[in-house]
This record gives sequence, structure tokens and C-alpha cells, in this order.
Amino acid sequence: GQQLNQSPQSMFIQEGEDVSMNCTSSSIFNTWLWYKQDPGEGPVLLIALYKAGELTSNGRLTAQFGITRKDSFLNISASIPSDVGIYFCAGQLVSGGSNYKLTFGKGTLLTVNP
Amino acid sequence: GAGVSQTPSNKVTEKGKYVELRCDPISGHTALYWYRQSLGQGPEFLIYFQGTGAADDSGLPNDRFFAVRPEGSVSTLKIQRTERGDSAVYLCASSLTSRGSKYGYTFGSGTRLTVV
Repeated sequence: GQQLNQSPQSMFIQEGEDVSMNCTSSSIFNTWLWYKQDPGEGPVLLIALYKAGELTSNGRLTAQFGITRKDSFLNISASIPSDVGIYFCAGQLVSGGSNYKLTFGKGTLLTVNP
Repeated sequence: GAGVSQTPSNKVTEKGKYVELRCDPISGHTALYWYRQSLGQGPEFLIYFQGTGAADDSGLPNDRFFAVRPEGSVSTLKIQRTERGDSAVYLCASSLTSRGSKYGYTFGSGTRLTVV
């Protein structure tokens, strides 16, 4: 099935550093979501974006919905050890039906060295 | 329950066997989704239920896969004649309504299926 292009695949950073990751798609979405997944757990929603150009923050996390509706980025500021995990972008195309299925990226594995 | 519950958490089966994976959504949630996550990949959509009916099963890879939700709550994903390529984590998610799914639904912890 289709997966979004997410980069980088992995990042190794020092505690306190800022992190940026992004996601691109060949097709348009009208909702972008960012999830974090810890080992042995399901993805947990971090941020949801609903309008092209929208910039939204959740604590140290900031995400933007690209104006072309084909891309999004996530920034994490002042990283801490508990930020370790896999981050996924996901797009939704809401087209009048009721099925809000998600198309995910392949994930970015974040490692934070204390 | 407080969250989406999936059982078993791990399942090892022999090639060719039949397996059932169970999902207990959050109480009252009408929309239910199944996703499959292979190693090193993001989750991929399998099937969506609105109430008791499968509204979209376009993600099921072939006719060995089938899912039911007879009473509109618990769902079972059934895989016949399992193959080694079916090995993956199977995730279930639910939301209060279909429109609520737009706001990012709640995932369970998944069932890790290993076919040997």
C-alpha cells in the first residue's frame, strides 16, 4: 500500500538539541497528523493539522501543514530522553465519506543521548 | 474499558494455520479500524467498520483475511492458511463516531503475529 515519504529515517541527537523531521506526499491530504510510537505500543497522537498553512504547537512540539497540502513537518525543541521513539506522519483525505483512514509514513527513529 | 484492548498481545503460529485476533474498542466507540504494521514500516490500513458493517475493506491483502464486528463493539480479524509474510503487528483503533475519526483515533497496543 501507499506510504508517505518521511525523512530522516533516523536521528541521533544530544539532549537539549532541537529536532526537525518532514513528510511529503504525491497526493493531497486535507488533514495531517503526527504520532509517536514507543516499543510494544500503538501510535499515540501528538498533533493534528486541518488547514493548509496551519502552524500548531503542543508544548515543545510544533508542526506545520504545507500550503501545497502535500507536505508537513514536525519540530521538537530542547529534546529530552523521553522523546526517544518512532515518529510517524499520517495523512487523511476527507472527501465526504465517513472513512477517515490514515496513510502513514515509514517513521523517523529518534535517539536522544543524555 | 479505558483504552483499546487487543488480545493476544503475541501470537506464534505455524504456516498454514488459522488465527483470530481480537479487538475491544473503547466503550461506545462506533468507528473501528484495523491496520497492519510490518517491521520498519508505518501502519497500513486494512479495514474500517462503522457499527456492525465493514464500510471499507479495500486494504485487506487477499481473501485469506476477513474481519467481523457482529454486535458493533468487539471485532475479530481472522486469517486463514497463514503465511510467513503475514508476520506483523496488527493494530486496532477506534473513535466515538466516524466524524471523530478525523481527530486522530485511539490505537491499541497491537497483536504481534509471528508465522513460523
